[in-house]
Amino acid sequence: QKEVEQNSGPLSVPEGAIASLNCTYSDRGSQSFFWYRQYSGKSPELIMSIYSNGDKEDGRFTAQLNKASQYVSLLIRDSQPSDSATYLCAVIGGGTSYGKLTFGQGTILTVHP
Amino acid sequence: DAGVTQSPTHLIKTRGQQVTLRCSPKSGHDTVSWYQQALGQGPQFIFQYYEEEERQRGNFPDRFSGHQFPNYSSELNVNALLLGDSALYLCASSSGTAIGYTFGSGTRLTVV
Repeated sequence: QKEVEQNSGPLSVPEGAIASLNCTYSDRGSQSFFWYRQYSGKSPELIMSIYSNGDKEDGRFTAQLNKASQYVSLLIRDSQPSDSATYLCAVIGGGTSYGKLTFGQGTILTVHP
Repeated sequence: DAGVTQSPTHLIKTRGQQVTLRCSPKSGHDTVSWYQQALGQGPQFIFQYYEEEERQRGNFPDRFSGHQFPNYSSELNVNALLLGDSALYLCASSSGTAIGYTFGSGTRLTVV
């Protein structure tokens, strides 16, 4: 079982739609969760962080965390073509994993006009 | 405010050679982590340096080694290069125990 697993892609949505990206993790002691956006050939860029159960909203982005289900999601409302990128879920595990980001394999999102 | 700076941006090496990649952390950051990202994959943690010591290490062979200098900059060394070492190498910096990582633009290493 992979430590961090993202829903298989690629994901294609029309402009203006909601894009939903999902991630599960195996370390129940994990405390910190992140979503990064990575454009082709570029480095990851942090777009959301979440540490508590529930929803966290920032502009068009909403991160959702459910520690009981070991599940993290990212919703992108009013998707734009500029949102087309690979989205990486990353987790900092508990115990000695502190400070180490474990990434999922990424989900490629394409927003078509 | 300078972000994380990595050099070089691109590098081509031959199998068996050795390579050194460099990273200068963001101003005010004292912790440097290195990641390897193969094409189509998520970044994989190599190791992390704090106070000039390797604090954590991922599942990478001893061919991968590093160093952190008193000014917090860091080097990643890879010996006996294999074709499979071809990847984007990312440096991320943070401040002590604070959670907030800034990534550099990466070094694209190609081993031929």
